[in-house]
Amino acid sequence: VIWMTQSPSLLSASTGDRVTISCRVSQGISSYLAWYQQKPGKAPELLIYAASTLQSGVPSRFSGSGSGTDFTLTISCLQSEDFATYYCQQYYSFPYTFGQGTKLEIK
Amino acid sequence: EVQLVQSGAEVKKPGESLKISCKGSGYSFTNYWIGWVRQMPGKGLEWMGIIYPGDSDTRYSPSFQGQVTISADKSIRTAYLQWSSLKASDTAIFYCARIWNDGVQAFDLWGQGTMVTVSS
Repeated sequence: VIWMTQSPSLLSASTGDRVTISCRVSQGISSYLAWYQQKPGKAPELLIYAASTLQSGVPSRFSGSGSGTDFTLTISCLQSEDFATYYCQQYYSFPYTFGQGTKLEIK
Repeated sequence: EVQLVQSGAEVKKPGESLKISCKGSGYSFTNYWIGWVRQMPGKGLEWMGIIYPGDSDTRYSPSFQGQVTISADKSIRTAYLQWSSLKASDTAIFYCARIWNDGVQAFDLWGQGTMVTVSS
C-alpha cells in the first residue's frame, strides 16, 4: 500500500495570501497524483490531475507541481471560496490512497 | 446531465444488512469504473474499491476486502455497496465516484454521498 502524507494538517491564512500544501508519497508514483477540494457537507471535487493539470473550470490561481514522491498544491491568491479541505490522491497502484487532508481555514 | 445520484440516508442497528446504491446518468455507464469512498465523521477520505460495470471486474482496498461487497447492475446503470452485518464503526458518509479514464484514474464525477448511521 502506498502511503500519502500531507502537510500541514491545518493551515490558517487570509484572503489574498499565497499558500502551499505538500503531499509526500511513500514510493515513487511518477505523476499519477490528483488533488481534490472538499467543502463542508459537500462531495469532493477534482481540482488537478496528473500532478499539474487543472481540471476544466478550475481557476488558474490553483497550480500543482511535483513528481515521484514530492508534490505541491499552490493557491496563488486565496479567495473566500477557497477555504476548504484539500486531499491528494495517488492513482499509481491499487488501492488508490488519499492523503489525510489539509484544512485551510481563515486566519 | 452527467451525474451520479446516490440513495438516501440510512439508520441501521448493528448486525443488520444494508445495500446502498449509486445511479449514473448522462454518460456511458458501462465504460467507466465506479468507486466507493468512505468518510467517517470528521475524518478524511478512504478509497474502498472500484467496479467496472461493463464486466463487473472489481478491485478492493485490503482495508475493506471481506468487509463490504461492491456490485453493479448495468441494465439499470446502478452500482452498489453492501454490508452483510453492520457495525457501529461503519457509521460514515459513503460517496460513489467515477474514474475518469484509463490514463487518469482520478475521480472526476462524484455522487452526493449517502450517510449511514449504525446505532443500537
